[in-house]
Amino acid sequence: EDKVVQSPLSLVVHEGDTVTLNCSYEVTNFRSLLWYKQEKKAPTFLFMLTSSGIEKKSGRLSSILDKKELFSILNITATQTGDSAIYLCAVQETSGSRLTFGEGTQLTVNP
Amino acid sequence: EAQVTQNPRYLITVTGKKLTVTCSQNMNHEYMSWYRQDPGLGLRQIYYSMNVEVTDKGDVPEGYKVSRKEKRNFPLILESPSPNQTSLYFCASSLSVRRPSYEQYFGPGTRLTVT
Repeated sequence: EDKVVQSPLSLVVHEGDTVTLNCSYEVTNFRSLLWYKQEKKAPTFLFMLTSSGIEKKSGRLSSILDKKELFSILNITATQTGDSAIYLCAVQETSGSRLTFGEGTQLTVNP
Repeated sequence: EAQVTQNPRYLITVTGKKLTVTCSQNMNHEYMSWYRQDPGLGLRQIYYSMNVEVTDKGDVPEGYKVSRKEKRNFPLILESPSPNQTSLYFCASSLSVRRPSYEQYFGPGTRLTVT
């Protein structure tokens, strides 16, 4: 059974801090790993990672995948209160039809 | 505007009373999927559809049915809802899972309470 584990489950920081969110996975036929941000509504797409060692970057957010060690990290630099959300990691298997999500990391950024 | 819509957004019902949650997308997407989200369990896939008339079970299909008669619609049916189906439900769609990369668009969610 495919499995995705995120850590920490909850994190409270101050504005300006840098945070690292972790996602480890076990999946039989790996295709890609995705990160989503969920505020008080539907998840919104952040990144898709398919190759090891290639950093994806969008503004203050960046992510990288290690397919040998089966994990990914999501970094957020210079955090803002608007970064407060649940961050979800999901793994897609080869056929593309199934997404397995982790529990999510609840990030709270205090002013 | 490209979007996934769900109705209703909120529903309180009683055990055993059949209900349908509708999902519609206007992006001509082939792939659609239903998830439920529960505290401590994250998002879990209920059913998915690769294209019209093609549906398959996800991780937690028990107690649910789906159909895909048209490309744009993917309703979720609870024939006899039970309290353990109280949850937040999301419908999602993407262009095609045959492509090497795809973004899955989520609907706004339906909060269902079964008493």
